[in-house]
Amino acid sequence: AQSVTQPDIHITVSEGASLELRCNYSYGATPYLFWYVQSPGQGLQLLLKYFSGDTLVQGIKGFEAEFKRSQSSFNLRKPSVHWSDAAEYFCAVGGDTGFQKLVFGTGTRLLVSP
Amino acid sequence: DGGITQSPKYLFRKEGQNVTLSCEQNLNHDAMYWYRQDPGQGLRLIYYSQIVNDFQKGDIAEGYSVSREKKESFPLTVTSAQKNPTAFYLCASSIPGSMNTEAFFGQGTRLTVV
Repeated sequence: AQSVTQPDIHITVSEGASLELRCNYSYGATPYLFWYVQSPGQGLQLLLKYFSGDTLVQGIKGFEAEFKRSQSSFNLRKPSVHWSDAAEYFCAVGGDTGFQKLVFGTGTRLLVSP
Repeated sequence: DGGITQSPKYLFRKEGQNVTLSCEQNLNHDAMYWYRQDPGQGLRLIYYSQIVNDFQKGDIAEGYSVSREKKESFPLTVTSAQKNPTAFYLCASSIPGSMNTEAFFGQGTRLTVV
């Protein structure tokens, strides 16, 4: 069964500093990988996704993520964090066979300090 | 604009009562999902439906029921059998089996048992 691990529950970053959120997945076949962002009391918005091809994917709001099959990782990065990036971030994995059903990690809450 | 509408945004239930959460989408998606979100636990799948008149249990279906009589609608009933129903509930939809599959989320319903 597929699973996702986000090892960091909370991360605090200074505004303007770089950011990396970690995500490790377990999946027996070709994974489909996603990063979502959630503001308090809101639904989830897709930041980016990886299905195949170039292992570095670009998303919205200046985010990018790199798929590393050898490390089973899909870490999210941003070169310079803005105060508006403070939110909760979820990594999710789905599969390329049969019905697409996403499994989510437990999330990482990003705090941005002045 | 296409999207997913969940209602109500806030819902209060007395112990022992059933309550139904609404989810409507106009994205023409075949697949719909219900997730439950608790602090520190990420999103857990309650039920999902790949097509009209068909649905399957997710990881935490006990105490919940759903119906899928129309493509656009996937209501979730929280029954009195659900022992700890206070949570944030998210509905999502997607195109199953597509290379561009991603889940689109509603804004959520916060259910509180009083």
